[in-house]
Amino acid sequence: NAGVTQTPKFRVLKTGQSMTLLCAQDMNHEYMYWYRQDPGMGLRLIHYSVGEGTTAKGEVPDGYNVSRLKKQNFLLGLESAAPSQTSVYFCASSYLDSTEAFFGQGTRLTVV
Amino acid sequence: DAKTTQPNSMESNEEEPVHLPCNHSTISGTDYIHWYRQLPSQGPEYVIHGLTSNVNNRMASLAIAEDRKSSTLILHRATLRDAAVYYCILRDHSGNTPLVFGKGTRLSVIA
Repeated sequence: NAGVTQTPKFRVLKTGQSMTLLCAQDMNHEYMYWYRQDPGMGLRLIHYSVGEGTTAKGEVPDGYNVSRLKKQNFLLGLESAAPSQTSVYFCASSYLDSTEAFFGQGTRLTVV
Repeated sequence: DAKTTQPNSMESNEEEPVHLPCNHSTISGTDYIHWYRQLPSQGPEYVIHGLTSNVNNRMASLAIAEDRKSSTLILHRATLRDAAVYYCILRDHSGNTPLVFGKGTRLSVIA
């Protein structure tokens, strides 16, 4: 049972490049979330999904897009990376909003 | 969204109890109080949650004030491994509500 798996774990991008971060969960969870965490700061919600085929904006959605085509996967896309998007990205999932959320180990993204 | 207020940092001696406070004066009747913690270089992990009654699990206890405007996470015997940022979060269980983190309390444990 892998839980929540994030791919890749590390990535360096040049300004203007695009990339997709993959979050996969094997717990049949309905809810999935993407967060970013800047050094010394708390987690900020980027986008979330309450079920397959649904997405919603969080606190800091600008510059990111997401898709939830399959229940087990939640993709976070950066169309044109900027240095301000340098951060650690965490994905999480939960069965409902009333149940505990499980987090991945994070993706460290550097945009140069 | 209802907000929470936590001290920025706290310090505890190893093997002593720790009481982490959280104020949530604008809590609504359908808001549950959730606690998560984030160990260094890791993703957050769930600790405990409750609505009105005090709650206990293997990790911690949650004491909720009678008027629900504040709560306290209790670690009965702090260890070095408990050094982390602790987040108090209000979640409405009525559906489709995201999990939004505040700034949390950074707990240091001294050997």
